[in-house]
Amino acid sequence: LAKTTQPISMDSYEGQEVNITCSHNNIATNDYITWYQQFPSQGPRFIIQGYKTKVTNEVASLFIPADRKSSTLSLPRVSLSDTAVYYCLVVPSGSARQLTFGSGTQLTVLP
Amino acid sequence: GAVVSQHPSWVICKSGTSVKIECRSLDFQATTMFWYRQFPKQSLMLMATSNEGSKATYEQGVEKDKFLINHASLTLSTLTVTSAHPEDSSFYICSAKGQGDYQPQHFGDGTRLSIL
Repeated sequence: LAKTTQPISMDSYEGQEVNITCSHNNIATNDYITWYQQFPSQGPRFIIQGYKTKVTNEVASLFIPADRKSSTLSLPRVSLSDTAVYYCLVVPSGSARQLTFGSGTQLTVLP
Repeated sequence: GAVVSQHPSWVICKSGTSVKIECRSLDFQATTMFWYRQFPKQSLMLMATSNEGSKATYEQGVEKDKFLINHASLTLSTLTVTSAHPEDSSFYICSAKGQGDYQPQHFGDGTRLSIL
């Protein structure tokens, strides 16, 4: 399973764009990149998933360069409620798709 | 869509009690469900993978006789913590994956288990 590295913590202010970068140097050809958000005492919530280039949904964008050795989660105009832990995961394709959670990034949005 | 319901959300019980936690996929069929444990300030750790109609696969170091998993239907998996002791106190979270190789896992809101 590909190991991921992401910053332990980040601070931002309300209204700013936040970019969280994750490195995954040994990602395999068929692996996908998936991001989750977790609030205290809740289960993780799926944010976005991608294989290459750029993926955008209603809450975030995911940028993946051609070599796929890193990815960047972009959260536009964050609010206080975006304070949470964000996990970057490299997920193997296939029916099982076991997830290996790293330490995640604690994002704190300040007023 | 893709809602996973976990029940109960909080359990406090005496040492030696067995506790059952239910995980349901409400609006999709889950061929595979997963059980995780999370200690305070730590990340999620996978305990076991269960497939509907077959035995669960446990991660190394997880006692299968201690943590009984049943996945009797495509929408329900249960985790029973047998003869629970204080060291079993933790936050237990389930997830369910829909059919299709690239479907993401969707998580329940977790069960806080406290053993006195």
